[in-house]
Amino acid sequence: QVQLQESGPGLVKPSQTLSLTCTVSGGSISSGGYYWSWIRQHPGKGLEWIGYIYYSGSTYYNPSLKSRVTISVDTSKNQFSLKLSSVTAADTAVYYCARESYSSGWGTDYWGQGTLVTVSS
Amino acid sequence: DIQMTQSPSSLSASVGDRVTITCRASQGISNYLAWFQQKPGKAPKSLIYAASSLQSGVPSKFSGSGSGTDFTLTISSLQPEDFATYYCQQYNSYPRTFGGGTKVEIK
Repeated sequence: QVQLQESGPGLVKPSQTLSLTCTVSGGSISSGGYYWSWIRQHPGKGLEWIGYIYYSGSTYYNPSLKSRVTISVDTSKNQFSLKLSSVTAADTAVYYCARESYSSGWGTDYWGQGTLVTVSS
Repeated sequence: DIQMTQSPSSLSASVGDRVTITCRASQGISNYLAWFQQKPGKAPKSLIYAASSLQSGVPSKFSGSGSGTDFTLTISSLQPEDFATYYCQQYNSYPRTFGGGTKVEIK
């Protein structure tokens, strides 16, 4: 059973960089056939797709966030990470990591439990 | 971006009811449509991919249909554990986009 777990600071100051890591267990990031993605949900609102990374390092970012987002992968640790720079209060949200799977027609099959990040001084 | 519009935004139903939620894409997305269930304070759970295929372990009371721009999620007999918010998502093109959600409440 694949599990994803987000980790990182729950509080980030405005203008700083939000950094989160997703640790994958029960499967290898390097096995191919998966996109590893980040999705966020503003409090009481809907879902926003941030972007994804393939194990090879190729990425795709949401154009609305592209100038501030970096997603990276560390196959040796079976982790992938999100960095969002120059954050404001509008970036306060629950951040989820998730997996898109070839075997699910590239649909999302597994999600992490989510982590709340608050941007405040 | 492809806009995903869900209707209704909320509904009230009784245990045992058959419930149908609609999702419409602003342009054709073939069958690249997923459905998710989210309960308060929890992560979304994947229910359906490719418009009509059940994710592993999802009960058969959930079913999906549609292609192109119009899709539906049906719950055949609503149970207490099904009261939640449901989201559709298109993954035909980038960026992936979600519908605004349908909250299913107890009548």
